[in-house]
Amino acid sequence: GENVEQHPSTLSVQEGDSAVIKCTYSDSASNYFPWYKQELGKGPQLIIDIRSNVGEKKDQRIAVTLNKTAKHFSLHITETQPEDSAVYFCAQGAGSARQLTFGSGTQLTVLP
Amino acid sequence: ETGVTQTPRHLVMGMTNKKSLKCEQHLGHNAMYWYKQSAKKPLELMFVYNFKEQTENNSVPSRFSPECPNSSHLFLHLHTLQPEDSALYLCASSLWVVTSGNNEQFFGPGTRLTVL
Repeated sequence: GENVEQHPSTLSVQEGDSAVIKCTYSDSASNYFPWYKQELGKGPQLIIDIRSNVGEKKDQRIAVTLNKTAKHFSLHITETQPEDSAVYFCAQGAGSARQLTFGSGTQLTVLP
Repeated sequence: ETGVTQTPRHLVMGMTNKKSLKCEQHLGHNAMYWYKQSAKKPLELMFVYNFKEQTENNSVPSRFSPECPNSSHLFLHLHTLQPEDSALYLCASSLWVVTSGNNEQFFGPGTRLTVL
């Protein structure tokens, strides 16, 4: 079945530095790639998503890039702040498929 | 707040107990989901409901029994669970079941379940 691999599992950066999390997928029919942020004691919350007809999407300090040929997509966070510390999940979906397949998560810690 | 509430937030139960988890969404969505979240593992989709009808059951053991009386409420009935069922159980909702943009899944805060 569909598989999404996410790396790294943990990431520590200094405040102000950039953070990059990468996911690879196997289903060539995948066309929707959301990223979720999960803070302690809360459920995951969508922070940005991208569709397969777009190579990059930006929203203030966060951006997502997609390489369909290589079947990988990445989350980029610039000018990191302590409140960015959380677990980040990538996911992929394929059009009429009724479910998202999630990565295993990345624990991001931003050190002040 | 995401508009999806879950109760209880924490639950400890023995293997012979029967308990229920409740989820309610105030977003006017038509699709609701149960996920299991275990440490260091991807979110596992358990059940999908669309307009109160179950559309997906991802090979979930029968000791988990979902119920969706209307599009706003979702229950997960638990009985004779095993210690390995201890996890965070997340409920989510979306406008439709199709996975695409403009159909964001909104998650509740989860129920932390411990099976002794």
